[in-house]
Amino acid sequence: QQQVKQSPQSLIVQKGGISIINCAYENTAFDYFPWYQQFPGKGPALLIAIRPDVSEKKEGRFTISFNKSAKQFSLHIMDSQPGDSATYFCAASKTGANNLFFGTGTRLTVIP
Amino acid sequence: SAVISQKPSRDICQRGTSLTIQCQVDSQVTMMFWYRQQPGQSLTLIATANQGSEATYESGFVIDKFPISRPNLTFSTLTVSNMSPEDSSIYLCSVEDYWSGRFNEQFFGPGTRLTVL
Repeated sequence: QQQVKQSPQSLIVQKGGISIINCAYENTAFDYFPWYQQFPGKGPALLIAIRPDVSEKKEGRFTISFNKSAKQFSLHIMDSQPGDSATYFCAASKTGANNLFFGTGTRLTVIP
Repeated sequence: SAVISQKPSRDICQRGTSLTIQCQVDSQVTMMFWYRQQPGQSLTLIATANQGSEATYESGFVIDKFPISRPNLTFSTLTVSNMSPEDSSIYLCSVEDYWSGRFNEQFFGPGTRLTVL
């Protein structure tokens, strides 16, 4: 059973546009929601993360929006650049547990 | 964040053989993990490598197939035993450092790309 569902599977955005990736979870015990960025041939890199005590977190061009009641969270990439082209994974875990449950990934392509 | 290296970066192996993957961290960390990422797929946790005790395996993964060592706070190995083509994947180690107070934050190594013929 997929603990975290991610959509879309792939996304094509024009340079300068907004990229939006969505994730949903079922386990209400989850209290940590990171996003990872993975380039081909590399390991995933932690991009930004949020905890459920806030509804939004922004770091540069990257913003996480979190809706606790809907059990959903999303990544927004503002002013998308070709260098942002990568696969993005959302994940979820609960404090004290080791397992990060990953979404299925979104392959983002930003075209010039 | 910690700098994590893995060896080998990639390998091509024959079925029935075993491969040991090394993970080295440039600082002492409390938790080390091993993940598998099958081609074009998401990441799945194999086990947590505990320093000084046996690894803790997730459902679907067993010690006989994936023995793990963690001799100190900066190093761990994962062995993929008696390999079959279905074991072809990227194997990733990650670390989490409770001592830094950054709970739940996991940082990944570059991965080992394994192909089994």
